[in-house]
Amino acid sequence: KAGVTQTPRYLIKTRGQQVTLSCSPISGHRSVSWYQQTPGQGLQFLFEYFSETQRNKGNFPGRFSGRQFSNSRSEMNVSTLELGDSALYLCATTTVGAGANVLTFGAGSRLTVL
Amino acid sequence: QKEVEQDPGPLSVPEGAIVSLNCTYSNSAFQYFMWYRQYSRKGPELLMYTYSSGNKEDGRFTAQVDKSSKYISLFIRDSQPSDSATYLCASTGWGKLQFGAGTQVVVTP
Repeated sequence: KAGVTQTPRYLIKTRGQQVTLSCSPISGHRSVSWYQQTPGQGLQFLFEYFSETQRNKGNFPGRFSGRQFSNSRSEMNVSTLELGDSALYLCATTTVGAGANVLTFGAGSRLTVL
Repeated sequence: QKEVEQDPGPLSVPEGAIVSLNCTYSNSAFQYFMWYRQYSRKGPELLMYTYSSGNKEDGRFTAQVDKSSKYISLFIRDSQPSDSATYLCASTGWGKLQFGAGTQVVVTP
């Protein structure tokens, strides 16, 4: 079955603009998590959605927002872009392993802010 | 301070050598430990998954957890150039996964 699909894969924006990233989870999976990955900070949790409801939120400013649709597809939006928002944005779905949640990631959307 | 600490490397080894990767964690509630591998321009993929202390082996890969010292290790035997990637450790209790920064590994032919 298809994995986690993220679009677009690469994009370039300028400061002050906004961006919307899309994620389609594995078919039948209802949980979607978003992460920001940078060389300095590593993987940082943004938020998690389950059945269209935000279940957890990381420590990011309000410029970062997300939503999930009834078909489990999710979008995240970053408004008023800053240079520091340049990163790889990863989407993941959750599978319950032998007791813990295992994440399956998409290939990511690489955002460059100029 | 991050709950999972990992040396970012890079770690360069010749083909055929043993790669040794380590992480430390601070939360005593962590019971599940994972290693993810991330190739360039790809998302992380689950490599190994262990529960509590002990060893787990899968082919050339061995994961070790020492809960008494809060130490997580991954060993790659007979390393190949295809093992060149970033390796991220991750831990959790019952909440969301906490990731290390990732160690870049380069295996040279």
